[in-house]
Amino acid sequence: DQQVKQNSPSLSVQEGRISILNCDYTNSMFDYFLWYKKYPAEGPTFLISISSIKDKNEDGRFTVFLNKSAKHLSLHIVPSQPGDSAVYFCAARSNNDMRFGAGTRLTVKP
Amino acid sequence: EAGVAQSPRYKIIEKRQSVAFWCNPISGHATLYWYQQILGQGPKLLIQFQNNGVVDDSQLPKDRFSAERLKGVDSTLKIQPAKLEDSAVYLCASSLGEGGRRSYTFGSGTRLTVV
Repeated sequence: DQQVKQNSPSLSVQEGRISILNCDYTNSMFDYFLWYKKYPAEGPTFLISISSIKDKNEDGRFTVFLNKSAKHLSLHIVPSQPGDSAVYFCAARSNNDMRFGAGTRLTVKP
Repeated sequence: EAGVAQSPRYKIIEKRQSVAFWCNPISGHATLYWYQQILGQGPKLLIQFQNNGVVDDSQLPKDRFSAERLKGVDSTLKIQPAKLEDSAVYLCASSLGEGGRRSYTFGSGTRLTVV
């Protein structure tokens, strides 16, 4: 069962522009959400997270927005840089259970 | 701090053979996870340890997969016998505690190809 969905397998943006990666979830018990970034031949690395009691969390160029009523979260990267090119995984936690989306491959073109 | 170490990085075996993966988590991290990531999919939890005890192994195919974490530190994941559909990247992750607002630290993974 896919409790966490990333419906866009890929996204291409121009350097300097905004990248918006989307994620939807179905389980209302999830109370903590994370984004991971993965480069080829490396493990996923933690990027940013948000608790369900918030609707926005910002860290430098990265901002995560959470819409609980829509069960939707998004990651905004502004401005996008070529080094941001990677696969981004959305993850959602409930107690000890963390589920991942299938990932979105972001390509930032110079 | 040193990251999560995994070995080997790559492994190619024939179906019905056995294989083992090793993971050394970050020092002091009580919780250790093994994930399976099939190409084009997100990581799927296979088993979670809290110290040397199993917290969750509900998605581990126990007829062929086994894992242990002796002394609550290193862990090994074994597949015996392997099937073609076991081809995937096997990721080990660790975190300080069970639950809570913790992110996981992942290793680089072991890419298994079963031919």
